[in-house]
Amino acid sequence: EDQVTQSPEALRLQEGESSSLNCSYTVSGLRGLFWYRQDPGKGPEFLFTLYSAGEEKEKERLKATLTKKESFLHITAPKPEDSATYLCAVQAAINTGKLIFGQGTTLQVKP
Amino acid sequence: DGGITQSPKYLFRKEGQNVTLSCEQNLNHDAMYWYRQDPGQGLRLIYYSQIVNDFQKGDIAEGYSVSREKKESFPLTVTSAQKNPTAFYLCASSAPGQGLPLHFGNGTRLTVT
Repeated sequence: EDQVTQSPEALRLQEGESSSLNCSYTVSGLRGLFWYRQDPGKGPEFLFTLYSAGEEKEKERLKATLTKKESFLHITAPKPEDSATYLCAVQAAINTGKLIFGQGTTLQVKP
Repeated sequence: DGGITQSPKYLFRKEGQNVTLSCEQNLNHDAMYWYRQDPGQGLRLIYYSQIVNDFQKGDIAEGYSVSREKKESFPLTVTSAQKNPTAFYLCASSAPGQGLPLHFGNGTRLTVT
């Protein structure tokens, strides 16, 4: 069964304290892995797509990496405005019309 | 600006009543989706449509219905048969192709009492 698991469930950081969020997946033929940011009461906002192991994408303080079993979202020197829930999702080769989402990691960055 | 509009933002209904959530997009996307989000759980797919006049059940379609009469619109009806309808509902769209991301609206929070 296709599955996505994110850890930790919640993460509290001090401003400037770098860390990583994990997304482990099992899927029958990965077409793409997606990272989203979600603010309270809002819809998810697209951040990155990764297609194959070894691929990396960067945007400001965020860097996403992908292996054959997991993806990491690295946050370098975070600021309070980076506080949000980060969602990971995979698109399987067979069910191309669907994304399978993890439960998310809620990040709080304190000044 | 192109985007997805969901309305209303908040919706309150009495148990036993059907309710329809609106979703409109002007991104010219072929595919549209409805997801449900509950606290501590990942988004779960209710229904999706890849072309007009065609749609497929997702993982949790029981108690829901949809229509796709226009490319821009994909309304979701939460029927009285849905046992736990209180949730945050998200509509999304995507262009066809490999690995293209979903674009989400800002959701409708439905409360049924």
